[in-house]
Amino acid sequence: EAQVTQNPRYLITVTGKKLTVTCSQNMNHEYMSWYRQDPGLGLRQIYYSMNVEVTDKGDVPEGYKVSRKEKRNFPLILESPSPNQTSLYFCASSRGGLGTYGYTFGSGTRLTVV
Amino acid sequence: AQTVTQSQPEMSVQEAETVTLSCTYDTSESDYYLFWYKQPPSRQMILVIRQEAYKQQNATENRFSVNFQKAAKSFSLKISDSQLGDAAMYFCAYRPIYSGGGADGLTFGKGTHLIIQP
Repeated sequence: EAQVTQNPRYLITVTGKKLTVTCSQNMNHEYMSWYRQDPGLGLRQIYYSMNVEVTDKGDVPEGYKVSRKEKRNFPLILESPSPNQTSLYFCASSRGGLGTYGYTFGSGTRLTVV
Repeated sequence: AQTVTQSQPEMSVQEAETVTLSCTYDTSESDYYLFWYKQPPSRQMILVIRQEAYKQQNATENRFSVNFQKAAKSFSLKISDSQLGDAAMYFCAYRPIYSGGGADGLTFGKGTHLIIQP
């Protein structure tokens, strides 16, 4: 089954404790992206990757890191989480190039930083 | 930068009736893609319908259709014969036509919460 797999689905952590949210897709998609969803703000892009070893900042990158060492994986790293990073996070992937490619989204990770 | 505006934070409709969700966007591009996503309580993001800006014909997927007005930069979603399973948050989204460089991710509106009254 074609899918984007995110783990964990729920995470509660303390301020300053480094964490990683994993994301993996099995569709050989070139493009991967991370979003955060906050009430009243919709989804906002954190980072994206056009292909292996190619990443760039989205609209709200502060406090986050990513890496793309393999095509299928795109982990989101919070080196020193803070309470304002409490949010619902989505990983998404898409084919690259021209075309009305919608994104395939993971199931989301609910992160709480206390 | 592109912006997407959904002016209705919440809408309510009786089961079996028709409802229209509004979306406007701002872009200087002439070609692009537009999408509607549904997010039920399970929080999964589900693609409902997509539209290419260079196509004049409005997209349709079963009970879901759009009214795309390019000059007005408007992209509304019509849901016919509303069902209880349609209850969800609905997000309008914009994407540049070519994902070859730059921040070409989806730009989302803030969402419309759709309530279906039985």
